[in-house]
Order: sequence, then structure tokens, then C-alpha cells
Amino acid sequence: QKEVEQNSGPLSVPEGAIASLNCTYSDRGSQSFFWYRQYSGKSPELIMSIYSNGDKEDGRFTAQLNKASQYVSLLIRDSQPSDSATYLCAVNVRNGANSKLTFGKGITLSVRP
Amino acid sequence: ETGVTQSPTHLIKTRGQQVTLRCSSQSGHNTVSWYQQALGQGPQFIFQYYREEENGRGNFPPRFSGLQFPNYSSELNVNALELDDSALYLCASSLGRGRAYEQYFGPGTRLTVT
Repeated sequence: QKEVEQNSGPLSVPEGAIASLNCTYSDRGSQSFFWYRQYSGKSPELIMSIYSNGDKEDGRFTAQLNKASQYVSLLIRDSQPSDSATYLCAVNVRNGANSKLTFGKGITLSVRP
Repeated sequence: ETGVTQSPTHLIKTRGQQVTLRCSSQSGHNTVSWYQQALGQGPQFIFQYYREEENGRGNFPPRFSGLQFPNYSSELNVNALELDDSALYLCASSLGRGRAYEQYFGPGTRLTVT
């Protein structure tokens, strides 16, 4: 089993819809979870971090964490064409004092005008 | 803009050559992590530097080495380049080395090995 898995894409939603991106992880000791957005040809940009069970909202973005189910998700409300990008889930896998991030493969989101 | 800079932007090297990539961390950040991102994949952790010391390493061979300087900028060196080393190399800086610290990426260096 891979350490961080993202459901296969690509994902296509119409403008104004809610996009739901999911991620599961294997290490129960993981404590920090991040979502990065990566436009084609660019580097990853941090958009959300979450550390506790529950929801965390920032503008149109909501991150949801369920440590019991080892599941983290990102909801994008009122999706815009500018949200079209690859979204990477990253988990800080327990490794002593090291803050190594383990990434999923990413899921490509396309928002149709 | 994260304040993390990398140079060069693009690089073309021949198999067997050596390459040095550079990274300047965001002001106030003392930790730099390096990642390799192959096409269509998520970034893979190479190693991390905290206050000039290596603070963890991923599954990369010893020909991948690094340095961190007193101003917290960093270098990634790759010897004996192989075709599979062609990738986007990313550095990320953070305020500290703990799990809670957010990592901010630079624009990356695109390395092509022919």
C-alpha cells in the first residue's frame, strides 16, 4: 500500500460546482496534512494545512481531516476555471525530528466554464 | 511568491556529468528540504537541512549530496548524472524542522539529462 494515495483523476466539474478531492494515508502516526496546488509547469503552492480532526475553512477552500479513517479531503466551493490545476496531498509521515513530506501523485482538476 | 528562489531555472546536462543546484530560503527560515518531481508524479523527498546539518534523507543514492550555508541557503549536488535524473528539482523552506512547520516551495530547476 502506498503511503499517500489520491483517487484517480482527472476530475472535471462545471464552473460554480463543488469539487471534492480525496486522499488517504497509511501511517497512523501522521500528524500534519497539507494540500498544494500546482499549475502546469509551475511549482507546488501551499493552499491549506490541517492538524486536527474536523474541518478547516479558508475562503472557498475547506480541508477535512479524519484520523480514525486516515482520510483527508479538500473541498473547493464555487469552482472557477482558475482552479484548474493539479492538487497534491502531502502528509508529514512520522520520522523522528524530520519533517519530510510524503506526497500523493496528485489529481488534476478541470473546471469547465 | 514565497520568497524562495532557485537557480538556474533550466539546465541541460550529459549523462555522467555533475550538477549543482542552488536555493535561497525565505527570510527567517532555517530549514531547507529538497525534492525531486518526475513528470506526472508527486515530489519525492531527497533530504533536509536544518541549521547547516543534514536532518533526514530519502531513498536517494549517495551521489545526491547537499550543503546548507550559514545564511541558510542551500545547494544540491548530483554526481554521475543518469538519464532518470531528469526531473524538476524543488527546494522548500520552513521556519523549523518539526512536523507542524509549513513548507514553501521555490520555482524549481528543470534538469534534463541527455
